Amino acid sequence: NAGVMQNPRHLVRRRGQEARLRCSPMKGHSHVYWYRQLPEEGLKFMVYLQKENIIDESGMPKERFSAEFPKEGPSILRIQQVVRGDSAAYFCASSPKGLGAEAFFGQGTRLTVV
Amino acid sequence: KQEVTQIPAALSVPEGENLVLNCSFTDSAIYNLQWFRQDPGKGLTSLLLIQSSQREQTSGRLNASLDKSSGRSTLYIAASQPGDSATYLCAGQGGSEKLVFGKGTKLTVNP
Repeated sequence: NAGVMQNPRHLVRRRGQEARLRCSPMKGHSHVYWYRQLPEEGLKFMVYLQKENIIDESGMPKERFSAEFPKEGPSILRIQQVVRGDSAAYFCASSPKGLGAEAFFGQGTRLTVV
Repeated sequence: KQEVTQIPAALSVPEGENLVLNCSFTDSAIYNLQWFRQDPGKGLTSLLLIQSSQREQTSGRLNASLDKSSGRSTLYIAASQPGDSATYLCAGQGGSEKLVFGKGTKLTVNP
């Protein structure tokens, strides 16, 4: 049973470009979470999704950021018109259910905006 | 609003020492608490999950406790080894499904 798979592991984008981060949850997990880790900061919650539904997006910036978890395929975190402040490590986690379940994390995508 | 604090931010110990990492949280209505390990440039590895109805969990040399009334959790590492060097994160799940993280304790175990 493979763990949570994230790709790419490293992503470099120029200011103004789009970044697409992908996350495949563990087999049997239908709950996906995205977190962001800024340098010297703790991990901050961004969004919680179940298949085809956004359950909680209270941590998502209001503009340029979006997330989806389609019926088929990985979850996608999309950042439009990236700025230097978006440079961070983005982690995806999955769990078999929501409240009370153990969360398993991927290796993260390290986004660098130049 | 749940806030999680970890003290100390960094800890350096000689190999073989037993040690305790501390985690405190502000909202006692916590559903569970999870301890993770993060190596530099890597993802998070789940170490232990403690449900609100439990007081402690053990895995090998690790023991985690949860005291909801005082808003505290501890991670006890016995007979520390250089391979234990990493950043240890605690995270609580409160009234919603998201995890609220502390900033971590960076542990260095010196040979």
